[in-house]
Amino acid sequence: GAGVSQSPRYKVAKRGQDVALRCDPISGHVSLFWYQQALGQGPEFLTYFQNEAQLDKSGLPSDRFFAERPEGSVSTLKIQRTQQEDSAVYLCASSLGREPSSQYFGPGTRLTVL
Amino acid sequence: KQEVTQIPAALSVPEGENLVLNCSFTDSAIYNLQWFRQDPGKGLTSLLLIQSSQREQTSGRLNASLDKSSGRSTLYIAASQPGDSATYLCAGSSNTGKLIFGQGTTLQVKP
Repeated sequence: GAGVSQSPRYKVAKRGQDVALRCDPISGHVSLFWYQQALGQGPEFLTYFQNEAQLDKSGLPSDRFFAERPEGSVSTLKIQRTQQEDSAVYLCASSLGREPSSQYFGPGTRLTVL
Repeated sequence: KQEVTQIPAALSVPEGENLVLNCSFTDSAIYNLQWFRQDPGKGLTSLLLIQSSQREQTSGRLNASLDKSSGRSTLYIAASQPGDSATYLCAGSSNTGKLIFGQGTTLQVKP
């Protein structure tokens, strides 16, 4: 079956531009997570959805970051007025239920802000 | 605040060796412990998940253990192969499923 997909795979933005990153989780997966991975580091948690409800957004670095999952499936991570420090790989993961279980990761979107 | 540390940061071994990767965490209230593999430029592939009530999990040549009291997990790789070369990440989850990752161990297995 299809895994988690993300688009675009690569995004180059000029500083100050807005970007939108898409995540298609595994069909039927209730939980969806976004992580940010800087070069040479482990991923860091950004935000978490259970169906359409955003239950934890404590990891979002600033109010320029916004995530949504309006119908409980596809999610979009939006970054407004991008800055160079936003350059990173953005990873999306989904898991089947509400209880913690194995998370399945997408290939990530590599964002470069010039 | 949960912190996860992985030692060593990098490891190079000849093919065929057995090896152990270490992961330590500060908060014993960890829910699950998951080991991942990441190839360059790729996403994360789940290797093993140890639930809070378990002590170890095995899959093929991989064995992971969890000791919550000491705040440690190990990933044992038997008979290493060049195809095992990758970065290995451990992550502890809270009761919401949010993962806290270590910085990874980059493994190189030389033919």
